[in-house]
Amino acid sequence: DAEITQSPRHKITETGRQVTLACHQTWNHNNMFWYRQDLGHGLRLIHYSYGVQDTNKGEVSDGYSVSRSNTEDLPLTLESAASSQTSVYFCASEGQGGDTQYFGPGTRLTVL
Amino acid sequence: AQKITQTQPGMFVQEKEAVTLDCTYDTSDQSYGLFWYKQPSSGEMIFLIYQGSYDEQNATEGRYSLNFQKARKSANLVISASQLGDSAMYFCAMREGFQGANNLFFGTGTRLTVIP
Repeated sequence: DAEITQSPRHKITETGRQVTLACHQTWNHNNMFWYRQDLGHGLRLIHYSYGVQDTNKGEVSDGYSVSRSNTEDLPLTLESAASSQTSVYFCASEGQGGDTQYFGPGTRLTVL
Repeated sequence: AQKITQTQPGMFVQEKEAVTLDCTYDTSDQSYGLFWYKQPSSGEMIFLIYQGSYDEQNATEGRYSLNFQKARKSANLVISASQLGDSAMYFCAMREGFQGANNLFFGTGTRLTVIP
């Protein structure tokens, strides 16, 4: 069965370190998204991609970057982790129909 | 202005009863989509139901239905015959523009507790 996976599921890091969160989908979807979830804010979009070599900034993109070298993967990089980036991160993908976004299981990141 | 507003931080419902979770949205686009997701305590986001702005009939998926009132800009989720497993956070979301062309905007969620 097609799926979307994230790794690691839990990560603790220190302020100033670079961190990369992986997202891999086997749906062969062109559209992929990264969200963060914080109490009181719901989910907010960080970055998104509509295909290979395409990346776009979302609502809360400062301090984050993504790259899309193939259809299956959209890694999210925190260039220099800050305590404000402690959150739960969700990756999602969708096909061209656009009526359903499928979410990964999430990564809980703690920045000390 | 918030694109999605969920005014009920928490709701309680008796098992086997129906419950309505409120969602209002704000957009000037004619073409948009509305979504509901469920997030149980385990944390995953589970897609429940979708309504397109041009769909004339309310969407239904099993025990879930979306009460779409376009003039009021509301997209309430109705869960019939509540079960204990329905206890979770529920998020309403909207996409503006053409399908697949834009990201989702999420509300802050409603925590539903089903009482035995």
